[in-house]
Amino acid sequence: DAGVIQSPRHEVTEMGQEVTLRCKPISGHDYLFWYRQTMMRGLELLIYFNNNVPIDDSGMPEDRFSAKMPNASFSTLKIQPSEPRDSAVYFCASIPTGGSNEQFFGPGTRLTVL
Amino acid sequence: AQSVTQPDIHITVSEGASLELRCNYSYGATPYLFWYVQSPGQGLQLLLKYFSGDTLVQGIKGFEAEFKRSQSSFNLRKPSVHWSDAAEYFCAVGLYTGNQFYFGTGTSLTVIP
Repeated sequence: DAGVIQSPRHEVTEMGQEVTLRCKPISGHDYLFWYRQTMMRGLELLIYFNNNVPIDDSGMPEDRFSAKMPNASFSTLKIQPSEPRDSAVYFCASIPTGGSNEQFFGPGTRLTVL
Repeated sequence: AQSVTQPDIHITVSEGASLELRCNYSYGATPYLFWYVQSPGQGLQLLLKYFSGDTLVQGIKGFEAEFKRSQSSFNLRKPSVHWSDAAEYFCAVGLYTGNQFYFGTGTSLTVIP
């Protein structure tokens, strides 16, 4: 298996623009997590899905952030409009069915908002 | 509230020296416990995990960790550090319900020749 796939790996955009980050979890994994990592705040859980349904989005910082999982093999995290303080590395992770809770992480998307 | 504490923000060790990274958690029961490593510009890689059974678990790259219930700790150890071990190390706790996952703030390891 290719592991968790994220795209793009790097994104540079200007303030006010819409940004869409993409994630493909490992096949057969039914939990998907989105994290944000910054120097100041470390790793923060933004939202997670179970069987494509959002379970907990309490970590989403504000209404500018939205996440969807239209099917078991694809999720998006959208920021509209983006702001410089959104600059961070965004990770996607998935957990296999069975609840072992071992998270498999993607390589991350480094977002820079100018 | 559940929490994970890594009291050491940064540690410097000499190559070949032993290493211990500390992790304490706060939770009413024994959770799943993990150590991840993150090299610069990379994602997080699982080093080892504890679910139940033997409290001393072996992981990849020569790392081990010991779960101590009485101390609510899960410290990571390596007997002889290599320069390639320089990275950020995260302790994490996974709960049985809701698949909640909590990360510590990380410990940055520097290895000097």
